[in-house]
Amino acid sequence: GQNIDQPTEMTATEGAIVQINCTYQTSGFNGLFWYQQHAGEAPTFLSYNVLDGLEEKGRFSSFLSRSKGYSYLLLKELQMKDSASYLCAVRDLQSGGSYIPTFGRGTSLIVHP
Amino acid sequence: DTGVSQNPRHKITKRGQNVTFRCDPISEHNRLYWYRQTLGQGPEFLTYFQNEAQLEKSRLLSDRFSAERPKGSFSTLEIQRTEQGDSAMYLCASSFGGRQETQYFGPGTRLLVL
Repeated sequence: GQNIDQPTEMTATEGAIVQINCTYQTSGFNGLFWYQQHAGEAPTFLSYNVLDGLEEKGRFSSFLSRSKGYSYLLLKELQMKDSASYLCAVRDLQSGGSYIPTFGRGTSLIVHP
Repeated sequence: DTGVSQNPRHKITKRGQNVTFRCDPISEHNRLYWYRQTLGQGPEFLTYFQNEAQLEKSRLLSDRFSAERPKGSFSTLEIQRTEQGDSAMYLCASSFGGRQETQYFGPGTRLLVL
């Protein structure tokens, strides 16, 4: 089994920077994903990390430290449309031998003008 | 490429009835996943197919739930004798495999059991 922990809710101001943390405990780690989910919609892929370090993609960056079981998603130049839930998902080995992403409960980000 | 589609988008049923949901993955994707999501929670894994083979099934999944992917393309998820606790959004995702294996999610089927 595994345990994924991320804050329930965060607030930030338009134009600012926000960091959403995710910690996990797992065995057979095989990658960490961040997804964005707007209310009532399906999750959409943001980033993927499998090696330690920072992955940058436009306004979004994601960091991974496998030894610490820690990741963060960094959102720069926040826009109102960034208000959404951000899901951390860890892919690890299941009992049947397959690697399956397991999701945290998500962090609800509210961006204020 | 029209993305992952799910039908129906909404389903209201009475407790004790059976329901079936359908998922059509992205055509070249050989891997298909079913998740369940309730308000304020992340998606909870239910089951996984590679082609037509069901390779993983959550230990938390009741035996009232069954899923099939008969030809390795579309999949169905059936819930028998529904209970109010089954009310949730049922999400389907597909992926191609490979190193990163990004999942692409469908819009979901929202189930309400009265």
